[in-house]
Amino acid sequence: DVKVTQSSRYLVKRTGEKVFLECVQDMDHENMFWYRQDPGLGLRLIYFSYDVKMKEKGDIPEGYSVSREKKERFSLILESASTNQTSMYLCASTTRSGYEQYFGPGTRLTVT
Amino acid sequence: GQQLNQSPQSMFIQEGEDVSMNCTSSSIFNTWLWYKQDPGEGPVLLIALYKAGELTSNGRLTAQFGITRKDSFLNISASIPSDVGIYFCAGTRSYNTDKLIFGTGTRLQVFP
Repeated sequence: DVKVTQSSRYLVKRTGEKVFLECVQDMDHENMFWYRQDPGLGLRLIYFSYDVKMKEKGDIPEGYSVSREKKERFSLILESASTNQTSMYLCASTTRSGYEQYFGPGTRLTVT
Repeated sequence: GQQLNQSPQSMFIQEGEDVSMNCTSSSIFNTWLWYKQDPGEGPVLLIALYKAGELTSNGRLTAQFGITRKDSFLNISASIPSDVGIYFCAGTRSYNTDKLIFGTGTRLQVFP
């Protein structure tokens, strides 16, 4: 079974803090994705990566950056957290030519 | 970004009933995926479809790739309480991309 894990299920941070969300997959997948999910807005793609050290902007990259130093790990960074970044963050992975994305359990981030 | 239209938005049914939901697009899709999301969890892949007209089952779930390639359907037979959750469709419009476009979701409630 594909396993995608995320470092925290719940996180509470203060405005202005630097926040790291980590995602690890154990299926040797090349592609990894970060989404945020908000009521009424559905899943929106923040960043994705096709390979180590490679990254591509998604639909809403502003306020976020990413890091992929190892194939199995994809980190999402909020350089200076703001209240409008309170959301559910979901990581997903898939093979290089695959369409079936496998999701982690999500991190519910609250910025106060 | 674009979202796929799903209907109905929500359903309240009795245990044992069959369920039907669909997902439509104004443009042609090459891949259709169906996910289920439990409260506070990440989406779990249920069924993947790759060819127009394709009908695929996974236990009590059956999904179809519409002939026009602009829609997909998911049926759940003999619903049980653990079917409760939000069902999302997702798809890709091109074979050259693995970026998914997601549906707005159908919330299913099952009463004993």
